Amino acid sequence: AQSVTQLDSQVPVFEEAPVELRCNYSSSVSVYLFWYVQYPNQGLQLLLKYLSGSTLVKGINGFEAEFNKSQTSFHLRKPSVHISDTAEYFCASLMDSSYKLIFGSGTRLLVRP
Amino acid sequence: DTEVTQTPKHLVMGMTNKKSLKCEQHMGHRAMYWYKQKAKKPPELMFVYSYEKLSINESVPSRFSPECPNSSLLNLHLHALQPEDSALYLCASSQGRLAGGSEQYFGPGTRLTVT
Repeated sequence: AQSVTQLDSQVPVFEEAPVELRCNYSSSVSVYLFWYVQYPNQGLQLLLKYLSGSTLVKGINGFEAEFNKSQTSFHLRKPSVHISDTAEYFCASLMDSSYKLIFGSGTRLLVRP
Repeated sequence: DTEVTQTPKHLVMGMTNKKSLKCEQHMGHRAMYWYKQKAKKPPELMFVYSYEKLSINESVPSRFSPECPNSSLLNLHLHALQPEDSALYLCASSQGRLAGGSEQYFGPGTRLTVT
């Protein structure tokens, strides 16, 4: 069965510090991987996606993620965070034969001044 | 343009009311989705329409009734809801299942409160 695990429910970090949000997936077949961000009282915005090709994926707002097949991970990173990055971040996977996104439980990024 | 629009933004309804949520996209996507999201939880898939046909129903109670009038529009008809149905309802769309087009784009959601 396909699953996505986000190991940290909340990550507090100071402004301008680097951050890494962890995501591990499990699947017996190839999957596509995504990171979404949700600001308070809003919908989900696609940050970045891994479909194939280069394992380092760059997204919007200065975020990037690295696909690691041997460790079944897809961690999200940003070298310097801003207060405005405070939000909920969801990692998700999708099999190419399915419409069903499998979400992790989410990580709340809290950026402090 | 990667915009999915939803109306209304907020909805308060009694348990005996009938109301509808609306979703629209003009990206030429052929798959559209309804999700339900409770506070501090990830979205839960409710329905998927593919090429205007219902493809997935995740065992959703019949008080929720989806409709896809055309490839750009998706409705969710609500009737006799319960207070526990209060949630953020999200619509999404995607090109389909082919590589390079499988990402889903979400709308801003409708905040539903059932009294």
